[in-house]
Amino acid sequence: DAGVIQSPRHEVTEMGQEVTLRCKPISGHDYLFWYRQTMMRGLELLIYFNNNVPIDDSGMPEDRFSAKMPNASFSTLKIQPSEPRDSAVYFCASSLGRGYGEQYFGPGTRLTVT
Amino acid sequence: AQSVAQPEDQVNVAEGNPLTVKCTYSVSGNPYLFWYVQYPNRGLQFLLKYITGDNLVKGSYGFEAEFNKSQTSFHLKKPSALVSDSALYFCAVRDEDDKIIFGKGTRLHILP
Repeated sequence: DAGVIQSPRHEVTEMGQEVTLRCKPISGHDYLFWYRQTMMRGLELLIYFNNNVPIDDSGMPEDRFSAKMPNASFSTLKIQPSEPRDSAVYFCASSLGRGYGEQYFGPGTRLTVT
Repeated sequence: AQSVAQPEDQVNVAEGNPLTVKCTYSVSGNPYLFWYVQYPNRGLQFLLKYITGDNLVKGSYGFEAEFNKSQTSFHLKKPSALVSDSALYFCAVRDEDDKIIFGKGTRLHILP
């Protein structure tokens, strides 16, 4: 298996633009997680899905952020409009099961908003 | 609420020496604990987990962790450090909603 795939790996955009981050989880995994990592705040869970259904989005910072999982092999995290404070590394992770199973992380998308 | 604390932002160890990265936890009920490692420009990688059973848990790359209930600790250890072990290490705990809560991370530097 290729592991969790994220695209793009790097994204530079101007404030106010829409940004879409993409994730392909490991085949067969039933949980998908979106995290954000910054120096100031560390690793934050934004939202997670179980069998394509959003379960907990309490970590999503505000309405500018939205996430979808239209099928078991694809998820998107969208920021509209983007702001400089959204600059961070965004990780997607998947797991088989939730609290007991280990999570497999993608390589991340480094987002820079100028 | 469940939480973990990593009291050291950075740990420096000479190559070949034993290493310890500290983690303490606060949970209600039985703790489910994890260690992950992050190499530069990479996502986190699972190292090991404690669910139940033996207090000494063995994981990837020669790492192990010791669960100590009385001290509420779950320290990561390795008998002989390698330069390639230099990375960012995260302790994590499962919370009451079954989410994994990560600590702030400890940067481990292995000095040649």
